[in-house]
Amino acid sequence: DAGITQSPRYKITETGRQVTLMCHQTWSHSYMFWYRQDLGHGLRLIYYSAAADITDKGEVPDGYVVSRSKTENFPLTLESATRSQTSVYFCASLDSAGYTFGSGTRLTVV
Amino acid sequence: DQQVKQNSPSLSVQEGRISILNCDYTNSMFDYFLWYKKYPAEGPTFLISISSIKDKNEDGRFTVFLNKSAKHLSLHIVPSQPGDSAVYFCAASDNGSSNTGKLIFGQGTTLQVKP
Repeated sequence: DAGITQSPRYKITETGRQVTLMCHQTWSHSYMFWYRQDLGHGLRLIYYSAAADITDKGEVPDGYVVSRSKTENFPLTLESATRSQTSVYFCASLDSAGYTFGSGTRLTVV
Repeated sequence: DQQVKQNSPSLSVQEGRISILNCDYTNSMFDYFLWYKKYPAEGPTFLISISSIKDKNEDGRFTVFLNKSAKHLSLHIVPSQPGDSAVYFCAASDNGSSNTGKLIFGQGTTLQVKP
């Protein structure tokens, strides 16, 4: 199916663990983004990528790492998860028609 | 520092009436504004946008108004339908369009349309 796929949909992890959220697009959109959604804050940009091997920080990058070795994949890694990283994470890609968001990953850090 | 603000966390309207969702911004460099709609367990979907060279854009039941001097935009939904019940996010960009840049989002407003 065409579109953006995020996995897993739900994840529970323990404080201090490393966890990776996956994002895959079936197009070849150059731009990809990671946002987190929190009550009272809306969607905040974590990292974005303009192309393969090009990434840059957004508003709230601390505690996160990204990579983009292939155009279609943009994984987000929490190196040592903290409770404050409990959130819903959205991946998005961008083309001339605008942004397309994935369905999100709900991450709970206990 | 919240550059895009939606000060009303929630709004409830009766079916058939007008829904007005408001958004304020502080960055005068923003020149493109968008509204997204989000249902539970889904990602946001694009609804309507407006460039800073316009003051109004209409698409069916949805109209967005931009007041640059007040740094304010609003989304009007007329008539409101129960299927419009969702979270609405206002977003802004300073790259002339959404095609090249990052979007800054507001906190969201939850709209409930009662039958």
